[in-house]
Amino acid sequence: DTAVSQTPKYLVTQMGNDKSIKCEQNLGHDTMYWYKQDSKKFLKIMFSYNNKELIINETVPNRFSPKSPDKAHLNLHINSLELGDSAVYFCASSSGWNVNTEAFFGQGTRLTVV
Amino acid sequence: QKEVEQDPGPLSVPEGAIVSLNCTYSNSAFQYFMWYRQYSRKGPELLMYTYSSGNKEDGRFTAQVDKSSKYISLFIRDSQPSDSATYLCAMSQGGKLIFGQGTELSVKP
Repeated sequence: DTAVSQTPKYLVTQMGNDKSIKCEQNLGHDTMYWYKQDSKKFLKIMFSYNNKELIINETVPNRFSPKSPDKAHLNLHINSLELGDSAVYFCASSSGWNVNTEAFFGQGTRLTVV
Repeated sequence: QKEVEQDPGPLSVPEGAIVSLNCTYSNSAFQYFMWYRQYSRKGPELLMYTYSSGNKEDGRFTAQVDKSSKYISLFIRDSQPSDSATYLCAMSQGGKLIFGQGTELSVKP
């Protein structure tokens, strides 16, 4: 029974396209995140939501728009994809927005822009 | 300069060796210190979590924090091939985790 699940697992698309990644957690957590991991394995926060409210927006281009329809779901829509957007995107959740508790990560979505 | 520095390796050791992984940080406001383990093609999972300076032990793993030197370590005793993964240090501040670059560890049988 997967705690944090993302779809799709792999995404290959052309430059200029628009794509979405979906995330769902069944842990009853209030806080959800999007992280980006680059080719050097460097993991950086993009957004965090607490009870459907945006808490952190870490200077991410406007082409990235997160949406949280309810506290169990956090989707990421990306417009006008660029080569530099190629990375692994991880969704995560935690019980509190302070993150002094464990963050549970999904398995990642490997995005390749060609 | 990154807020959290971690040697990316790769680090290759024989089975049974003691492994030492380290991170330094610059922001004295960091309060919580964590180690995540990430297997290939998987998401990171929490391994160890500490708040104060000192040592914390969990089985073969020991996490060490020295706030005065802004330095944290993870020791793995009797390393096993199943420990082969990328180890990421992370520190929390203001609702977000700041990660080091991760150290890729390979334990050879």
